[in-house]
Amino acid sequence: EDKVVQSPLSLVVHEGDTVTLNCSYEVTNFRSLLWYKQEKKAPTFLFMLTSSGIEKKSGRLSSILDKKELFSILNITATQTGDSAVYLCAPAKNNAGNMLTFGGGTRLMVKP
Amino acid sequence: DTGVSQNPRHKITKRGQNVTFRCDPISEHNRLYWYRQTLGQGPEFLTYFQNEAQLEKSRLLSDRFSAERPKGSFSTLEIQRTEQGDSAMYLCASSPEGRRSSYEQYFGPGTRLTVT
Repeated sequence: EDKVVQSPLSLVVHEGDTVTLNCSYEVTNFRSLLWYKQEKKAPTFLFMLTSSGIEKKSGRLSSILDKKELFSILNITATQTGDSAVYLCAPAKNNAGNMLTFGGGTRLMVKP
Repeated sequence: DTGVSQNPRHKITKRGQNVTFRCDPISEHNRLYWYRQTLGQGPEFLTYFQNEAQLEKSRLLSDRFSAERPKGSFSTLEIQRTEQGDSAMYLCASSPEGRRSSYEQYFGPGTRLTVT
């Protein structure tokens, strides 16, 4: 059975701190891994990673995938209160629909 | 607004009643997905359409659930004889189809169902 584990479950930091969120996975027919940010609404897309070792960056956020060790990390530098959200990782299957299997998420709270 | 839209945004129903939700994907997206999310959990895959064809169904999708996408555009998800355990956020997502082997999915705002 497919399994996606995110850690930590929750995290409280102060503005300006750097955080690292972890995602380990065991998914059959793995194709890619996606990261989403979810506030009190639908998940919004952050990154899609398909190759090991290649860092993707978007502003203060970056992410990398290790397909040998089956994990990914999401880094957020110089955190802001607007980064407070649940961060979800979701491996996609290598089939026609690329269905996503979501982890339980990491709840990040950034205090002023 | 050219994103994924869902209606209604909230639905309260009594146990045993039927409910139907609608999803309108991004217009050029061929792929459409339904997920269910309960409090404190990540979304769980329910079913997937490519154009009008329903190609995948999760074992989570009991016989009381049915989904359609009759013309390959909008989709409906119906739950018959609702149970309290059906209370959740029902999310719809869409993605394009093309030469790349994987595409990001874009989510709608969801329909929050409460079964009393």
